[in-house]
Amino acid sequence: DVVLTQTPVSLLISLGGQASISCRSSQSLVHSNGNTYLHWYLQKPGQSPQLLIYQVSNRFSGIPDRFSGSGSGTDFTLKISRVEPEDLGVYYCLQRTHNPPTFGGGTKLELK
Amino acid sequence: QVQLKESGPGLVQPSETLSLTCTVSGFSLTSNSVHWVRQPPGKGLEWMGIIRSGGSTDYNSALKSRLSISRDTSKSQVFLKMNSLQTEDTAIYYCTLNWEWWGQGVMVTVSS
Repeated sequence: DVVLTQTPVSLLISLGGQASISCRSSQSLVHSNGNTYLHWYLQKPGQSPQLLIYQVSNRFSGIPDRFSGSGSGTDFTLKISRVEPEDLGVYYCLQRTHNPPTFGGGTKLELK
Repeated sequence: QVQLKESGPGLVQPSETLSLTCTVSGFSLTSNSVHWVRQPPGKGLEWMGIIRSGGSTDYNSALKSRLSISRDTSKSQVFLKMNSLQTEDTAIYYCTLNWEWWGQGVMVTVSS
């Protein structure tokens, strides 16, 4: 199975600051069709995960442009600029290029 | 408006069978895939299985011998059945449409 390693495990950020989360894969996430199925989610306390970014860099419906995704192959990054209180929670990356789909271990974003 | 809602027993005895239902609205099961994902308390996310738009299924190899996913398209419902439950199966169980929309989850505790 593909292993996704997220760093850091936790992140202390001031309101209005910028956060950067890394997701590294044990193998390339480029599908045979040329697409890269690496997605990012935020799970707020007591809630289900919500999709932020799909296929590396595409913001899902209603997601503000403070969230951006980048990367290729095995290395991917989620950046959150101008952090707001509603951005707090645990961030997960998901790959569905290879079966079975697998998640990163999560990064907890907290206020400094 | 896309909605998914999981339902089922909150408590299951060890060695018994878990039966969960995901009731969906706002989309057709014959045009979309639904996954089941679970999350043990305080831990990360684990993919369990999928039922595709055509009705075919695929399972996490670690759960395959115990897990079955089916659906009733006329009722817009997807079902999860997992037998031989153990305490380590205690988790929140989510259904998700195409990895985009998620239900609120249902907490299942395995205990005598």
